[in-house]
Amino acid sequence: GAGVSQSPSNKVTEKGKDVELRCDPISGHTALYWYRQSLGQGLEFLIYFQGNSAPDKSGLPSDRFSAERTGGSVSTLTIQRTQQEDSAVYLCASSLVGTGWPGNTIYFGEGSWLTVV
Amino acid sequence: ILNVEQSPQSLHVQEGDSTNFTCSFPSSNFYALHWYRWETAKSPEALFVMTLNGDEKKKGRISATLNTKEGYSYLYIKGSQPEDSATYLCAFGGKLIFGQGTELSVKP
Repeated sequence: GAGVSQSPSNKVTEKGKDVELRCDPISGHTALYWYRQSLGQGLEFLIYFQGNSAPDKSGLPSDRFSAERTGGSVSTLTIQRTQQEDSAVYLCASSLVGTGWPGNTIYFGEGSWLTVV
Repeated sequence: ILNVEQSPQSLHVQEGDSTNFTCSFPSSNFYALHWYRWETAKSPEALFVMTLNGDEKKKGRISATLNTKEGYSYLYIKGSQPEDSATYLCAFGGKLIFGQGTELSVKP
């Protein structure tokens, strides 16, 4: 597709359940990022994938969060045993090249809105 | 911990007014500064990527300046229109450390 595609758009889940959020980056983009915005907070970095390099997981808030990127394209963010504080909009982004290029434009999807009840 | 601050937090203007807001970031080890516009239920839209001290960028009625030595960037909107209503975000660095955003509301 033309832009970054995310699914589902909205997800309501019960506390303690696992959820998977999917991201389909722009075709040909080597770098992929996940961010989230909780209510009243700013956008925060979660994880970054670049090509075949090991992902930068420094922003993941706990070991309940994990992400993978298969075949250098589609990525899945998994949240295990969801808690109410996980409620947020989760944004995926991609860029043609990685963070080693300062002028790199990063393009965002519309986000997956997660509500944990 | 890197801190990116934006001001004001919100802004209400009349159609036709010109406006500007500020993004402050660490002045040491500057890498890049990004500006985004984020409308509700849409994806954040990339406005500018700024990399050099003194950079000035323009896109239609929106422009931005960059001062890396003192650690700030200004975003200007000339002749605001209701469709400019959105949250404007700046982000610092390669992996993007975001400010809290400036929420702009333009009344017809």
